[in-house]
Amino acid sequence: AQKITQTQPGMFVQEKEAVTLDCTYDTSDPSYGLFWYKQPSSGEMIFLIYQGSYDQQNATEGRYSLNFQKARKSANLVISASQLGDSAMYFCAMRDYQSNTGNQFYFGTGTSLTVIP
Amino acid sequence: EPEVTQTPSHQVTQMGQEVILRCVPISNHLYFYWYRQILGQKVEFLVSFYNNEISEKSEIFDDQFSVERPDGSNFTLKIRSTKLEDSAMYFCASSPGQLQGYTFGSGTRLTVV
Repeated sequence: AQKITQTQPGMFVQEKEAVTLDCTYDTSDPSYGLFWYKQPSSGEMIFLIYQGSYDQQNATEGRYSLNFQKARKSANLVISASQLGDSAMYFCAMRDYQSNTGNQFYFGTGTSLTVIP
Repeated sequence: EPEVTQTPSHQVTQMGQEVILRCVPISNHLYFYWYRQILGQKVEFLVSFYNNEISEKSEIFDDQFSVERPDGSNFTLKIRSTKLEDSAMYFCASSPGQLQGYTFGSGTRLTVV
């Protein structure tokens, strides 16, 4: 079963507009962490933002915010004021802290974001 | 900003040859990982390493693969007899603790011909 689902293979956004990248997850563990990574065309994985399952508030990091809806098991990434340099692949990932696989991340299939000038 | 360093950035090898991918994790991190990403696909977990032993491994990490921390700084992934389907980007990562996020290296692109 898919632990992380990203249903948008590709997204386009106008420069300076906001964009939401969807992520839903599946776990029965009460303790888990949700992460977003950016992968530019050069290939490296860049950490963007983290949300813990017990965090009361949605995580924010500069132009990135995470719209965490625990009951719906969704952790959407919101990028405000998009810039051309935001064009990249974006991966949602999760760790189950209480499972016997708590060391590993589960990644979604990614969303390719293109920012249009 | 501390970073995870991977070398080489790109390696081409003949099918059947052995390759060693090298990583220098962040110095005070205790957990080390290898992931791979076949072109156009999602990132897949291979193995985690803690206290000088493998703590978890995936089905992908079969007998062809091994990891080693030969000294206090390097963390290596060895593929004994490469196959065409081993062509992928291989990411090393490290974290200070089990519950914390990773820092990924910039990856080694392995091409098996």
